[in-house]
Amino acid sequence: DQQVKQNSPSLSVQEGRISILNCDYTNSMFDYFLWYKKYPAEGPTFLISISSIKDKNEDGRFTVFLNKSAKHLSLHIVPSQPGDSAVYFCAATYSGSARQLTFGSGTQLTVLP
Amino acid sequence: DAEITQSPRHKITETGRQVTLACHQTWNHNNMFWYRQDLGHGLRLIHYSYGVQDTNKGEVSDGYSVSRSNTEDLPLTLESAASSQTSVYFCASSASGGPASTQYFGPGTRLTVL
Repeated sequence: DQQVKQNSPSLSVQEGRISILNCDYTNSMFDYFLWYKKYPAEGPTFLISISSIKDKNEDGRFTVFLNKSAKHLSLHIVPSQPGDSAVYFCAATYSGSARQLTFGSGTQLTVLP
Repeated sequence: DAEITQSPRHKITETGRQVTLACHQTWNHNNMFWYRQDLGHGLRLIHYSYGVQDTNKGEVSDGYSVSRSNTEDLPLTLESAASSQTSVYFCASSASGGPASTQYFGPGTRLTVL
């Protein structure tokens, strides 16, 4: 039973447009969410995070939105650049989980020039 | 600069052999983790450690073991490799304290079990 789901395995976006990556979760105990980005043959790198006490967190071109009632979060990339092409993983944790992360299956983003 | 390294980067072995994957971090982080990445499953937690002499089982720990004798290293051992353990393995570390569980990942080891 996947507690963190990324239902879109892939997404293609034109350069300069907005990319929206989605993530749903089922465990209501999750109170901290993270996005990681992964290039081929490299390890995942931390991108942005959000605490459940917030509904939005912004860092440059990247914004994460959290809708707790819907158990849904999304990552917005504006404007998208070809270098953003990577696999994006959503992850979640909660304070009682001893800092373990539960990952989604990932979404391959391709930004077309 | 602090970093986390894994070795080897690629390994081919035969069914039944014992294999050890190394993970070394210079962040001085107390927490270390091992994941495997498989298509359609994302990253799944194998084992984790919150300090020297501490080890815990994760979601997919069967067939794997770890030991933590110092802060820097958490080697992952496959006691008797099986074809189902063909995967890409990632090691990660994080600092202690607080809910901000940002983990920093190594570059991965691609393991093939024939």
